[in-house]
Amino acid sequence: AQKVTQAQTEISVVEKEDVTLDCVYETRDTTYYLFWYKQPPSGELVFLIRRNSFDEQNEISGRYSWNFQKSTSSFNFTITASQVVDSAVYFCALSEIPQGGSEKLVFGKGTKLTVNP
Amino acid sequence: DVKVTQSSRYLVKRTGEKVFLECVQDMDHENMFWYRQDPGLGLRLIYFSYDVKMKEKGDIPEGYSVSREKKERFSLILESASTNQTSMYLCASSLGLPASTDTQYFGPGTRLTVL
Repeated sequence: AQKVTQAQTEISVVEKEDVTLDCVYETRDTTYYLFWYKQPPSGELVFLIRRNSFDEQNEISGRYSWNFQKSTSSFNFTITASQVVDSAVYFCALSEIPQGGSEKLVFGKGTKLTVNP
Repeated sequence: DVKVTQSSRYLVKRTGEKVFLECVQDMDHENMFWYRQDPGLGLRLIYFSYDVKMKEKGDIPEGYSVSREKKERFSLILESASTNQTSMYLCASSLGLPASTDTQYFGPGTRLTVL
C-alpha cells in the first residue's frame, strides 16, 4: 500500500531563514508520481510540483527547491530565505500509475510552516 | 489557468438535511474528485469520477453520494447530514492522461458545519 509520511507536524522559523520540509514515501511500484501542494490560510490547495519516479534531478524554482532521492524514498522541499507569505500548510502526495480508472493521490498529513517577521 | 470553483465557501446545515456541494471546472478535464480534510487526518478521498456518469468510491464513501451529469460539474451529496460530516470539503480535477498521473487542481474548498 502507498504511504506518505511528513514527520514534521509544525515548523516555525524567522524570516530569511532556510527551511526544509521532509517527505518520506512507501510504494511497491517502480513507476509513480510525487507532488507538493501548498495550502495557505485561505484554504485552497495550490499545486507546486509534480515529479515522476524516473526523474531524479533536483529542481529549483525561485526560492523553492526539491530534492528527490529514490535510495531513501524521500522527496524533500526547501524554501530558501523564507518570507511571511510562505506561511501555510504544505502537503506531499504520492500516486502510482492507475491500473484502471483514475489515478489516486495519497497525501501526507501536512506540515504547518509559520514564518515570523 | 485551470479554474475549479465550488458553490459555497461556508455552509451551515442541520442534522438530517440533504446537502448538495457543487463543483465546476472550466478546463475540460476528464477526472474530478471530492476530498474531505480534517485536522490530524489530512485529506481523504470520498469519491472520484473519470467520465460523465461514471463514479468510483474512494476511501470514505459512507454517508455520501455523487453525481456527474455533465463533464464540467461534479456534485457531492450528503443524503442525511450528520454532525460527524462537519469538515472542509475540497473538489479537484485533472486532465486524465491515460496510464499516467496528471496534476490535480483544487477548488477553494467548502467549510461545512452540521449542527
